[in-house]
Amino acid sequence: GAVVSQHPSRVICKSGTSVKIECRSLDFQATTMFWYRQFPKQSLMLMATSNEGSKATYEQGVEKDKFLINHASLTLSTLTVTSAHPEDSSFYICSARDPRGLEEDNEQFFGPGTRLTVL
Amino acid sequence: GQQVMQIPQYQHVQEGEDFTTYCNSSTTLSNIQWYKQRPGGHPVFLIQLVKSGEVKKQKRLTFQFGEAKKNSSLHITATQTTDVGTYFCAGPFSGTYKYIFGTGTRLKVLA
Repeated sequence: GAVVSQHPSRVICKSGTSVKIECRSLDFQATTMFWYRQFPKQSLMLMATSNEGSKATYEQGVEKDKFLINHASLTLSTLTVTSAHPEDSSFYICSARDPRGLEEDNEQFFGPGTRLTVL
Repeated sequence: GQQVMQIPQYQHVQEGEDFTTYCNSSTTLSNIQWYKQRPGGHPVFLIQLVKSGEVKKQKRLTFQFGEAKKNSSLHITATQTTDVGTYFCAGPFSGTYKYIFGTGTRLKVLA
């Protein structure tokens, strides 16, 4: 199947700093990527849809000025957590759909995730 | 808003016992997907069901999509320790490729 990578896998930062997380589709071009957040022992919560060449679409309750998303190329989306605080500590995962698949084939390929700890 | 709930939240079974998790959506779904997330890992796609009443099997796993396309189930026969993890169902927001994930069922298998 298609491969999605994320970098870094873990990051620890001080409160008030910004952290950038990269999501790459390695063997396919993804016009759309999705960013999720997962707190310990909880489900994945969709944060936003990243659209190549246009603005991201944020889910209700997600602050777009705090979670900046940039999808500058067909293989790279970045999520920047600005002015991070301890409550932003979480597991951030991106996913993408391989457009080479059938229209009805909506399998999402997930990156390995980034564990963010804000001190 | 659209919600996808799963029961049970946790399940501990002895190795060799069967396991079932149920998924219920507040809205009718065009399709439903199932994912498995191992502890410390990321979700891995298992299957997608599209048709009303559809049943699919993958070795010891049996997936079913309800007739009304609002519920689904995953049944594992004779669990093994490798089945440990959290199982999520996911349904799409109407007319989009965005998926809302269920609350998940965490499975522990005792050897």
